[in-house]
Amino acid sequence: GQQVMQIPQYQHVQEGEDFTTYCNSSTTLSNIQWYKQRPGGHPVFLIQLVKSGEVKKQKRLTFQFGEAKKNSSLHITATQTTDVGTYFCAGGWGNTGKLIFGQGTTLQVKP
Amino acid sequence: DAMVIQNPRYQVTQFGKPVTLSCSQTLNHNVMYWYQQKSSQAPKLLFHYYDKDFNNEADTPDNFQSRRPNTSFCFLDIRSPGLGDAAMYLCATYLWGADTQYFGPGTRLTVL
Repeated sequence: GQQVMQIPQYQHVQEGEDFTTYCNSSTTLSNIQWYKQRPGGHPVFLIQLVKSGEVKKQKRLTFQFGEAKKNSSLHITATQTTDVGTYFCAGGWGNTGKLIFGQGTTLQVKP
Repeated sequence: DAMVIQNPRYQVTQFGKPVTLSCSQTLNHNVMYWYQQKSSQAPKLLFHYYDKDFNNEADTPDNFQSRRPNTSFCFLDIRSPGLGDAAMYLCATYLWGADTQYFGPGTRLTVL
C-alpha cells in the first residue's frame, strides 16, 4: 500500500543551527504537502509541491520535491525558538485529494 | 473568522456509547477529510469525501461512519467507542486545484 516515511523522528538543535527533515514515498506522488503542528494544536498547512524537481522558499524555509516525485525535504536555515513543533509531510495521489501523512519530525530548539 | 469549525472541541463518552462529531466549513471546498491523531503520532486518514463521493480507507474500522449531507457539513459517527478510540479527531478541507488545505481545531475524544 501507499506509505510515506519521514526522518528523523526527533531533532534537537541549538538556536541558529540549520534543520532538515526528509520524506520518502513508496510510490510516485501527485503532490506533497508540508504541515507544522505546535504542541496542543492542529496541523497548519505550509506549502504544496506539485512539479518534479520543484523548489519553493518561504523566508527561512526551503522545500524541495525530488525529480522522481517520490521524495521531498524541508530545510530551515538558522532556526529560531518559534520554529519548535512537529513538521509533517503528506503525500497525495491522483485527483481525489487523498493524503497520507509521514510520521513527522519533532523539532526542539535550544535558545 | 474560523473557516473550518469542529464541534465539540472536547467530547467525553462512555465505552460503547455512540458519539457524533461535527465539522463545518465556510470555504465551499469540495474535499473534506476525517483524520484520527493519537498522541505523538501522525494524523491517520479515516475517510474523505470528494464532493459527494465517499472514500473509505481499507483499514478504517466499521465502527467509524461518516455523513456529508451537504458541501458545508461533515459528520463522524463512532457507533461503539472503545478505549482505543480516544484520540484527537481532525477535519480538513481542500479545494481541488488550489494549493491550500485547512484543518479544523480538532475534537479531543475521551472514552471512559
